[in-house]
Amino acid sequence: IAGITQAPTSQILAAGRRMTLRCTQDMRHNAMYWYRQDLGLGLRLIHYSNTAGTTGKGEVPDGYSVSRANTDDFPLTLASAVPSQTSVYFCASSDGSATGYTFGSGTRLTVV
Amino acid sequence: QKEVEQDPGPLSVPEGAIVSLNCTYSNSAFQYFMWYRQYSRKGPELLMYTYSSGNKEDGRFTAQVDKSSKYISLFIRDSQPSDSATYLCAMSENPQGGKLIFGQGTELSVKP
Repeated sequence: IAGITQAPTSQILAAGRRMTLRCTQDMRHNAMYWYRQDLGLGLRLIHYSNTAGTTGKGEVPDGYSVSRANTDDFPLTLASAVPSQTSVYFCASSDGSATGYTFGSGTRLTVV
Repeated sequence: QKEVEQDPGPLSVPEGAIVSLNCTYSNSAFQYFMWYRQYSRKGPELLMYTYSSGNKEDGRFTAQVDKSSKYISLFIRDSQPSDSATYLCAMSENPQGGKLIFGQGTELSVKP
């Protein structure tokens, strides 16, 4: 089934540790996105990539980094996790239209 | 102030009720207006979209956009328990995709 795979599905992480959230899509979409979802704040864009080899900052990029070595993969790295990064993280890709987004099932991250 | 504002609820209604969900926004450049539905522990899925001002109907769902008031609505007729979910409005400036700006999401519960 075509779509987006995120891993892990959930994680408890000690503060100060490094963590990479994985995202893989099999739809050959050029654009990919990372959002975080917090109660009362909705989905906020962290980083995005319009095509392989390019990335850009979203609304809340501090503390996060991304890379886009190929079309299918878009990992999100927390270099040194802090409790405020406790959230649900969603990866998404787009077919190039405003209505062509596909979201993964999310990674629930708790930083303690 | 966020670019897109949405009452987070929660909203609880009896089965069969008409539900009205609303968002306001401040960016006049938004062209595409979308409603996503998100079930518990799942990623958002596109429910409806509207380009510019006007109405769009799909079964029990109607989306309305009033660009002059910067106000969008989603109406659900004859609500069902299966409609219980979080509903997120989203907006985009760019018809070719780009970044989506989300509202906070409204949690809806339809009681049998």
